[in-house]
Amino acid sequence: QKEVEQDPGPLSVPEGAIVSLNCTYSNSAFQYFMWYRQYSRKGPELLMYTYSSGNKEDGRFTAQVDKSSKYISLFIRDSQPSDSATYLCAMSGDTGRRALTFGSGTRLQVQP
Amino acid sequence: SQTIHQWPATLVQPVGSPLSLECTVEGTSNPNLYWYRQAAGRGLQLLFYSVGIGQISSEVPQNLSASRPQDRQFILSSKKLLLSDSGFYLCAWQRKGLRTDTQYFGPGTRLTVL
Repeated sequence: QKEVEQDPGPLSVPEGAIVSLNCTYSNSAFQYFMWYRQYSRKGPELLMYTYSSGNKEDGRFTAQVDKSSKYISLFIRDSQPSDSATYLCAMSGDTGRRALTFGSGTRLQVQP
Repeated sequence: SQTIHQWPATLVQPVGSPLSLECTVEGTSNPNLYWYRQAAGRGLQLLFYSVGIGQISSEVPQNLSASRPQDRQFILSSKKLLLSDSGFYLCAWQRKGLRTDTQYFGPGTRLTVL
């Protein structure tokens, strides 16, 4: 079993839709949670960073963390064709090495 | 502001040839540095990380090696490339601190081994 599971997609939605992207994880020591967006042939760019449980909002993006269920989500409101990319979740614990454990990514396509 | 550079952007190499990929970071000091490989349609596989000059930790046994000759320079090398070394190589930096901070990625190097 992978430490972080993420549906690879592709997820296809019409422009303006609300998108929900999710990851589950097995390591209860994870406390830092991130979402990255990666366009084709580019390096990942950070979208959201959250610590422990709760919600965080930034513009059209909302990140949710439910540590009791070991489940994190990224919501995109009013999705745009420019949101078409692969979305990677990443997480890390508080001790030891600070490397991130990544999900395999979900490919999102927003149709105009 | 901080920036991270990688070069070359694209590389095509024959099997058995050597490899050297370079990563440099500007605008910060004493960062943690990371090398990842991403196969097509796959997630990121951590290869090496470094917390300081000359300090390298290897995550996956392979024919690759890494070095950190200067504080903001990270190099990925191989003496003899294999077909399986093809992929998208990403370098990342991270601030040190009491809490795990996010990682910031470079633009990547696409390596094709023929």
